[in-house]
Amino acid sequence: GDSVTQMEGPVTLSEEAFLTINCTYTATGYPSLFWYVQYPGEGLQLLLKATKADDKGSNKGFEATYRKETTSFHLEKGSVQVSDSAVYFCALRGSQGNLIFGKGTKLSVKP
Amino acid sequence: DTAVSQTPKYLVTQMGNDKSIKCEQNLGHDTMYWYKQDSKKFLKIMFSYNNKELIINETVPNRFSPKSPDKAHLNLHINSLELGDSAVYFCASSLFRRANTGELFFGEGSRLTVL
Repeated sequence: GDSVTQMEGPVTLSEEAFLTINCTYTATGYPSLFWYVQYPGEGLQLLLKATKADDKGSNKGFEATYRKETTSFHLEKGSVQVSDSAVYFCALRGSQGNLIFGKGTKLSVKP
Repeated sequence: DTAVSQTPKYLVTQMGNDKSIKCEQNLGHDTMYWYKQDSKKFLKIMFSYNNKELIINETVPNRFSPKSPDKAHLNLHINSLELGDSAVYFCASSLFRRANTGELFFGEGSRLTVL
């Protein structure tokens, strides 16, 4: 079945460091891919998405490119801030319309 | 004006009790979901309804019973609560006709603690 694998955390970075969170997927066809973010004590918010191969999603300085050759959708940010501390989830849209999530990666950014 | 709202936000109860969590969305969506997030933050789909019809019913104990009185509401009733039911339950909604590309909108979660 469809699945998402993302790098295990936690990830701890200093402010202004470069961030990469790896995400790969297994699916039939080419599903839409998403990154959601969960700030402490809150629900999930969409961070960015890509709906077809080679699409790049971007938002708030974060980027991810849909790579069908490597079945990947890695999340990157050039310079993280303390306010980016959160749990990040990679997800794909399943055949029944639901989201299938990776296990989440906790990011802590230190000043 | 909250798009997807869940009540209660926190729920503490004893083993064996029955409890309900309610969810409402004002986005005009026709599909709603319940997800369970365990202590390790893993999110797993439980149920999905489209226009009041059950379309996803994952392997969940039959102590869990969803009910959708209309397409704007999806409630979750849990009978005979067990310790392992402690988790955060998230409601979400989306448009079915955008099933391939559209995002899901999530509520803030309902933290259930079973003692």
